[in-house]
Amino acid sequence: RKEVEQDPGPFNVPEGATVAFNCTYSNSASQSFFWYRQDCRKEPKLLMSVYSSGNEDGRFTAQLNRASQYISLLIRDSKLSDSATYLCVVNMVKTSYDKVIFGPGTSLSVIP
Amino acid sequence: GAGVSQSPSNKVTEKGKDVELRCDPISGHTALYWYRQSLGQGLEFLIYFQGNSAPDKSGLPSDRFSAERTGGSVSTLTIQRTQQEDSAVYLCASSLGVFGGRVTEAFFGQGTRLTVV
Repeated sequence: RKEVEQDPGPFNVPEGATVAFNCTYSNSASQSFFWYRQDCRKEPKLLMSVYSSGNEDGRFTAQLNRASQYISLLIRDSKLSDSATYLCVVNMVKTSYDKVIFGPGTSLSVIP
Repeated sequence: GAGVSQSPSNKVTEKGKDVELRCDPISGHTALYWYRQSLGQGLEFLIYFQGNSAPDKSGLPSDRFSAERTGGSVSTLTIQRTQQEDSAVYLCASSLGVFGGRVTEAFFGQGTRLTVV
């Protein structure tokens, strides 16, 4: 099983739609979770951190289910500018280090 | 500058030549990552530095790839005897590492686009 897995996509949704992305992780000791956004030919940038049971930032809501080792990102009222690849990021805990692992990403296209 | 800086932004090299890619992390960031991204693909982890600990080199694809981080700051990724399949964008990211018991977010540079001809 891969350390971080995401819906393969692509997701093509009309403007104004609500869309949800899922992510699962394999390390039950993981404590830090993030969603990043990557625009075409640009570097990834932090969209939001995910803490405890989840959090909301405007149209974006992130949920965390530790028991199921599952994270989700919900985007409400999709805008054309939301078109991008969304990366789920989880920390990997080892005895000698603690680093972040990026998922493969889910592509979103919001169409007029 | 305030962000992660990578140089050069673009590099075209002939097959078989060696190249060096540079990353200047955000000041004070103890963790540094190198990734590779081919067109339309996801991030491929290459190597991770954390403070004075031994680096995690588990993602380096072959012994032609090496990286070092001098003085806990600037990092150089070296690719020897470049091949056409090495063509990709090489991204560097840095973070504060673990803070308050949590791994902190990583900030990316704009990448070096490497083309091997």
